[in-house]
Amino acid sequence: DTEVTQTPKHLVMGMTNKKSLKCEQHMGHRAMYWYKQKAKKPPELMFVYSYEKLSINESVPSRFSPECPNSSLLNLHLHALQPEDSALYLCASSQVRGQGDTEAFFGQGTRLTVV
Amino acid sequence: GQNIDQPTEMTATEGAIVQINCTYQTSGFNGLFWYQQHAGEAPTFLSYNVLDGLEEKGRFSSFLSRSKGYSYLLLKELQMKDSASYLCAVIPAAAGNKLTFGGGTRVLVKP
Repeated sequence: DTEVTQTPKHLVMGMTNKKSLKCEQHMGHRAMYWYKQKAKKPPELMFVYSYEKLSINESVPSRFSPECPNSSLLNLHLHALQPEDSALYLCASSQVRGQGDTEAFFGQGTRLTVV
Repeated sequence: GQNIDQPTEMTATEGAIVQINCTYQTSGFNGLFWYQQHAGEAPTFLSYNVLDGLEEKGRFSSFLSRSKGYSYLLLKELQMKDSASYLCAVIPAAAGNKLTFGGGTRVLVKP
């Protein structure tokens, strides 16, 4: 199983809403990532978790709150977003560097629209 | 900071060869990846280079020169389905899993 599953596939939310994006993998990977991708741009790293601990936060605004409840799950909690936060949000997972191949597997993404 | 450069767009003919260059200036180096991304889809892994030289995988090959901060992805016998964005990504730091992408190269394959 080399799948990273993200839900929902599409999400429309208002600026006062609270919603969560979910990501799941069963490859035994202990590094998990959130990326944001705008149209015709490359993925932009937001957060990295290693062994369920937040290891990298790329100065992401606090309206995005990541959570890694266990080694298979990664959530991204959204609150008070702005229209410019509309994008494709990609989850990825890999072995922790030094523990095997570090190829990252990506989920299909959640297309988020903030209205 | 990290700097990873690729051409924005390339056009090639079906059956031809295209070479996509990537140059990088990063604080440390621990591997370079190439990913393919079709419009509206997730990136999919193509290749990984951590040592100098050429890695061949079917129609795709990737080359790395660490001293020059340079890599290329070579696509042979182009097919229409190869029309996609090709992303160069580097793990720059000596520790951690900070996979950082270049701007991507959109390749258009014409009949």
